[in-house]
Amino acid sequence: EAGVTQFPSHSVIEKGQTVTLRCDPISGHDNLYWYRRVMGKEIKFLLHFVKESKQDESGMPNNRFLAERTGGTYSTLKVQPAELEDSGVYFCASSQDLQGADEQYFGPGTRLTVT
Amino acid sequence: GQNIDQPTEMTATEGAIVQINCTYQTSGFNGLFWYQQHAGEAPTFLSYNVLDGLEEKGRFSSFLSRSKGYSYLLLKELQMKDSASYLCAVRYLYNFNKFYFGSGTKLNVKP
Repeated sequence: EAGVTQFPSHSVIEKGQTVTLRCDPISGHDNLYWYRRVMGKEIKFLLHFVKESKQDESGMPNNRFLAERTGGTYSTLKVQPAELEDSGVYFCASSQDLQGADEQYFGPGTRLTVT
Repeated sequence: GQNIDQPTEMTATEGAIVQINCTYQTSGFNGLFWYQQHAGEAPTFLSYNVLDGLEEKGRFSSFLSRSKGYSYLLLKELQMKDSASYLCAVRYLYNFNKFYFGSGTKLNVKP
């Protein structure tokens, strides 16, 4: 079974440009999450989809970030316009349920560098 | 915040045993997960604890004390491939959908 995949693995853009990150969750997983890790800090929650609906976007830093999950399959996270402080590793995760020992399966992350 | 605390870095010798600690805020606790992450790769699930006690999985064990807000990951018979970051993640009842992570512990295994 394929795991969570993310594209691209690495993106280098200039301040003010736009970048779109993509996540393909494990097939059949209704729950999809975005997290971010900035240099030297812990991984922090950004938002959670259940199918195509945003369940919780309390971790989104500001309105320069837009996440979508049309059709309830893959998700995109767009940063527009990018700022220097947006640099970090963006992780996507998916899970089947929210209960018990149902862990979140993580993708390898997209390393975003804003110069 | 949830104050998930882990040591930043640890070093141990191949074949030895190492214990990585994690402390967290206890109010609303609803499960603790340990993940392993090799550089540039996805964090991979190691263990889950929600009740007090020890969960054993081969060379890896994880312990939880809910009253103390404390967990540890125990790695036995260390191998070079165990060099990685180990992430402690906690789930809370009031935000059941998200994990709160510690900063991770980078483990260096020496020959």
